[in-house]
Amino acid sequence: GDSVTQMEGPVTLSEEAFLTINCTYTATGYPSLFWYVQYPGEGLQLLLKATKADDKGSNKGFEATYRKETTSFHLEKGSVQVSDSAVYFCALSDPSGSARQLTFGSGTQLTVLP
Amino acid sequence: NAGVMQNPRHLVRRRGQEARLRCSPMKGHSHVYWYRQLPEEGLKFMVYLQKENIIDESGMPKERFSAEFPKEGPSILRIQQVVRGDSAAYFCASSPPKAAGSNQPQHFGDGTRLSIL
Repeated sequence: GDSVTQMEGPVTLSEEAFLTINCTYTATGYPSLFWYVQYPGEGLQLLLKATKADDKGSNKGFEATYRKETTSFHLEKGSVQVSDSAVYFCALSDPSGSARQLTFGSGTQLTVLP
Repeated sequence: NAGVMQNPRHLVRRRGQEARLRCSPMKGHSHVYWYRQLPEEGLKFMVYLQKENIIDESGMPKERFSAEFPKEGPSILRIQQVVRGDSAAYFCASSPPKAAGSNQPQHFGDGTRLSIL
């Protein structure tokens, strides 16, 4: 079945540092890929997405590129802020079948220190 | 412009009681998904519903759990005879009707935190 493997945390960075959170996936079809962010006590918010190979999703300074050859969708940001502290989830969904559920990675806790 | 609304935000039950969790999807969304998040873990899919239909319940425990999405009103996730292991955050997500071959992003509610005493 489909699965997502995410870089384990927690990750602690200083403000303005470069961020990479690794994500690789296994899927039988051609999935869409997502990054969601969860702030304490809240639900998940869609951060960015990519629906086909070589697509780059971007939002709020975060970027991720859909790499089919390495089955990866790593999240990057050039300069993190304290307000980026949250849990980040990589997820996939296969749009070709009737089942549309998201398959999530285990999440990566990010803490940014001032 | 209300997003996905879940209530209650927090629910405390004693072992053996019933828990009912409600989810109202975003306006215009006819697809609802329920996920469970255990402490320190990612979200796990439970069930996918459209109005009056269960489309995929492959992630639902075989006993004590049920879900519905009636023609009128919110979607309900029902847990009968709760046990300590049911303690978790339960998230609902919704999406618009699916266009062929596409994948609409799911929008999440803030969740219901269920605690079993």
